[in-house]
Amino acid sequence: AQKITQTQPGMFVQEKEAVTLDCTYDTSDPSYGLFWYKQPSSGEMIFLIYQGSYDQQNATEGRYSLNFQKARKSANLVISASQLGDSAMYFCAMREGLESNYQLIWGAGTKLIIKP
Amino acid sequence: GAVVSQHPSWVICKSGTSVKIECRSLDFQATTMFWYRQFPKQSLMLMATSNEGSKATYEQGVEKDKFLINHASLTLSTLTVTSAHPEDSSFYICSARTRERGSNEKLFFGSGTQLSVL
Repeated sequence: AQKITQTQPGMFVQEKEAVTLDCTYDTSDPSYGLFWYKQPSSGEMIFLIYQGSYDQQNATEGRYSLNFQKARKSANLVISASQLGDSAMYFCAMREGLESNYQLIWGAGTKLIIKP
Repeated sequence: GAVVSQHPSWVICKSGTSVKIECRSLDFQATTMFWYRQFPKQSLMLMATSNEGSKATYEQGVEKDKFLINHASLTLSTLTVTSAHPEDSSFYICSARTRERGSNEKLFFGSGTQLSVL
């Protein structure tokens, strides 16, 4: 079974609009962390935002926020006021366990294209 | 912020040769580094986990004799693709674990290496 599911293989969004990228996860471990990374065409991976399973509030980092719905096991990334530079692949990832060896389980990614 | 340097960024080699990729943490000590492989339009596949001073732990299906990993210091890990063949052509990316004081856990990634084997 898929542990991380990103159901949107691709999205087109108009510049300045808000974007929601979906991510659902599956784990029986009560301790876990959820990550979002951006991968532009250059290939590097850029850390965007992190949400811990015990965090009471949704994580926010500038224009990025994570809509964490624990009961639904979803961790959607919201990008407000999208910019052309936001065009990239976006990956959702999960780490299970508190002090694990920090291996991440990756989703398949969503290709986001921002239209001018 | 923490920076991970990976090089070369791009390499073309002949079939049968070996290629070494370096991953260096520039401003922090990385006790654990990870090596990933990414095929076009696909997610990252973890190849191995490298802990400083010990043998790397390889994921199922990854040939340890093919992909040699050395993590001799807290700031450097290397991946050597031995006797490379065209099917080894891929994008390889490393990451290093850091735990900054008082902040959330983070992984920092290198910029990746595109390997093309002719």
